[in-house]
Amino acid sequence: DQQVKQNSPSLSVQEGRISILNCDYTNSMFDYFLWYKKYPAEGPTFLISISSIKDKNEDGRFTVFLNKSAKHLSLHIVPSQPGDSAVYFCAASARDFGNEKLTFGTGTRLTIIP
Amino acid sequence: GAVVSQHPSRVICKSGTSVKIECRSLDFQATTMFWYRQFPKQSLMLMATSNEGSKATYEQGVEKDKFLINHASLTLSTLTVTSAHPEDSSFYICSARDPGTVYGYTFGSGTRLTVV
Repeated sequence: DQQVKQNSPSLSVQEGRISILNCDYTNSMFDYFLWYKKYPAEGPTFLISISSIKDKNEDGRFTVFLNKSAKHLSLHIVPSQPGDSAVYFCAASARDFGNEKLTFGTGTRLTIIP
Repeated sequence: GAVVSQHPSRVICKSGTSVKIECRSLDFQATTMFWYRQFPKQSLMLMATSNEGSKATYEQGVEKDKFLINHASLTLSTLTVTSAHPEDSSFYICSARDPGTVYGYTFGSGTRLTVV
């Protein structure tokens, strides 16, 4: 049972344009969401997070949007740069319910075309 | 920021042998650490939650006798894959909860295990 889903396994975007990565979840107890960037044979690197009490969080080129009613979140990267090419995972936890475990999505491979 | 050091980065072992993977928090104390496994082109699957000074909590379907976890100190957790078989070949990653940060989870660099 995949509680966190990233339906696009890959995405290609022109350098300088906006990259939009999507993530859907099914567990309504999830209240904290994170995005990680991962290169092959390395551990994930934290990018940005959002609590369920917010609908938007911005950090530099990265913005995460949360639509609780749709159980959907998205990561916007603008402008996209070649160094952004990596696999992006969204993750969720049910922190307020005392559960710190992260449930990861299946990942989206982002390729930025120079 | 918080750093988690994981060793070895890659290991090749023969079937039937055991392999130990170490995960250390370098500049903070980690009362809780998490062990994940990733198959090629798949998601990170949580295997177990390691708590300092107590038994690990394993996820459903994970054999606790095969994947031994020890969290003997606030800075070290180890995962031992016992009697390894080729199907245990995978990428193993540890993570620690760092209460001092907003995001709270820092990952190690992972260990590529190949059982031949």
